[in-house]
Formats: sequence, C-alpha cells, structure tokens
Amino acid sequence: DTAVSQTPKYLVTQMGNDKSIKCEQNLGHDTMYWYKQDSKKFLKIMFSYNNKELIINETVPNRFSPKSPDKAHLNLHINSLELGDSAVYFCASSQSRGAETQYFGPGTRLLVL
Amino acid sequence: SQKIEQNSEALNIQEGKTATLTCNYTNYSPAYLQWYRQDPGRGPVFLLLIRENEKEKRKERLKVTFDTTLKQSLFHITASQPADSATYLCALDDTNAGKSTFGDGTTLTVKP
Repeated sequence: DTAVSQTPKYLVTQMGNDKSIKCEQNLGHDTMYWYKQDSKKFLKIMFSYNNKELIINETVPNRFSPKSPDKAHLNLHINSLELGDSAVYFCASSQSRGAETQYFGPGTRLLVL
Repeated sequence: SQKIEQNSEALNIQEGKTATLTCNYTNYSPAYLQWYRQDPGRGPVFLLLIRENEKEKRKERLKVTFDTTLKQSLFHITASQPADSATYLCALDDTNAGKSTFGDGTTLTVKP
C-alpha cells in the first residue's frame, strides 16, 4: 500500500492553462504539505494543512490554491500556468503539526511549455 | 538572514570508504535536525533525526553528529556501497515558523 500518493505523476501543459494535482495519504496523519523542488533540487515548502486547516502559507503566487477536503487529501490547483512553474511538486504528511518526520509522495513532474 | 548550506553539491568516493556530508546553518535554533535520502525521480525518505541535546546518533552504517555551537551536522556513511549513491538532504526544525526547512542537498556517488 502506498503511504502518500500523488496524481498525476507527469503533467505537461501549455502556458496559461489551469491544472490540479491530487494527493492522498493513508497513514492517518493529521498534517499534510506541498513542496516545490526546482531544477537545482532545492525543496521549498509552499503550504501546510493540519486537520483541513491551512497553517502554513509561504510566499506563493495566489495562482496556487490548495484545498483539503478531508485530512487524508490535499490538492493543489494552479491557475494561469507560467513557464517558471515547471518543477517537481511533492506532497508530504506527518503525524501531527508538531511531528518531526515527514513522509513524501513520489512527486508530480510539471512541465509548462 | 537564515541559511542552510550543505557541502559541495556533489561528492564522489570509492566503495568501502566513509562518506562525510556536512550541513551548516546560520540564524536558526533548531530543536532537532533530520537527514533524508532522495533517489532520482522519487520523494525524500527519512533516515535519521538528532535532537539538540544529542551529540551523536547511529543507525546501521549511518552516523549523524550535531554541534549546536558550531551550528553544524555531519552525516557519515561507513563502508559505503554503490547503492548509497543518492542525494542527501538535511532538514532543520524551524520551530518559530512551525515547519522544517531543507538544505539544497549533496549528491553522493559511490564508485565500485
């Protein structure tokens, strides 16, 4: 059983399009995260939800909108995609807000043309 | 400003040798520090956590040290194997911000 899963694994799209990435965790964790990893491998947090409540919202363009329908799911919707949005997006979860270890999904590779 | 630096972007060593990776930080007071491994095309995987009051932690061939005075953590892989080749990320607990902040990683290549 996959602990943290993401769909799709690959996403190739044109500039200006709107796309969504979905994440699900079956670990029973309370906290979920979205990270962006750029071409230089730098992993930067974007958002975090704890029990469906937004707790971390880094300096991210408002074209990015996370949504957590329940604590097992955290989706990321991106409007008006730009070339600079091309990256790998990772979802992660942790047992609780203060928990230390994070469990990462396999990543979604987004390429904006 | 806050900064996390991992030594050289890439580290190449011979099989059987000990790999030593460095994580230096400034303007953080982490309660703990973690090391993750990331293979190409995959998400990071947790390896070890060391707390501020611990000097050293071991797990099989892995050893982590944490010096809060030097603001540095060292990650050692003894008797390295080609299968240890991966990117290793350190992550600092940024308690004030309620998150962990990752370094930019060191890519280790172990040659047979």
